[in-house]
Amino acid sequence: GAVVSQHPSRVICKSGTSVKIECRSLDFQATTMFWYRQFPKQSLMLMATSNEGSKATYEQGVEKDKFLINHASLTLSTLTVTSAHPEDSSFYICSARRQGGEAFFGQGTRLTVV
Amino acid sequence: QQQVKQSPQSLIVQKGGISIINCAYENTAFDYFPWYQQFPGKGPALLIAIRPDVSEKKEGRFTISFNKSAKQFSLHIMDSQPGDSATYFCAAGRETSGSRLTFGEGTQLTVNP
Repeated sequence: GAVVSQHPSRVICKSGTSVKIECRSLDFQATTMFWYRQFPKQSLMLMATSNEGSKATYEQGVEKDKFLINHASLTLSTLTVTSAHPEDSSFYICSARRQGGEAFFGQGTRLTVV
Repeated sequence: QQQVKQSPQSLIVQKGGISIINCAYENTAFDYFPWYQQFPGKGPALLIAIRPDVSEKKEGRFTISFNKSAKQFSLHIMDSQPGDSATYFCAAGRETSGSRLTFGEGTQLTVNP
């Protein structure tokens, strides 16, 4: 099946620093990718929709200046958590949908801000 | 209109039994209904999906039943195994690749040996 690769799987950073998470669709082109945040034992919360070649669309309550999204190519979207704080610690997951509708998820990134 | 309600929140089944998870949606424009399986620390994996032109779809031990008039769909796991223990999410949305999916709250399934 289609594969979406996310990197890194785990990252620990200090408060105030920035962290970049990459999401790649390996065998299909994705004009749209989605970024989610998931808290323990909860569902996926959509943060933003990443559109290739244009600005991302952020969900209500998500700070666009804190969570920078870049979708520079049809196979790569990046999420940068800027000036990270402990409350940003979470599990971040990207997703891409291919023609036909199937949505595939990356492996997720466990971010810990200390 | 965008909500997807999933039940039960948790489910315990004996090995060999049938696990049943239910979802209900509101938006009649939705035409794509996938189920995902998620293990701790991993991203969700697509399990099976259905479109509203059929009432049932089966893949191995996994079956989706779809009731368009009731706006409900369910996942049946036959001959449940301890390795099926995971969190299951239903989702609903439009089939187009650029549209978002709306997810249910998740069901924590435990299959006892």
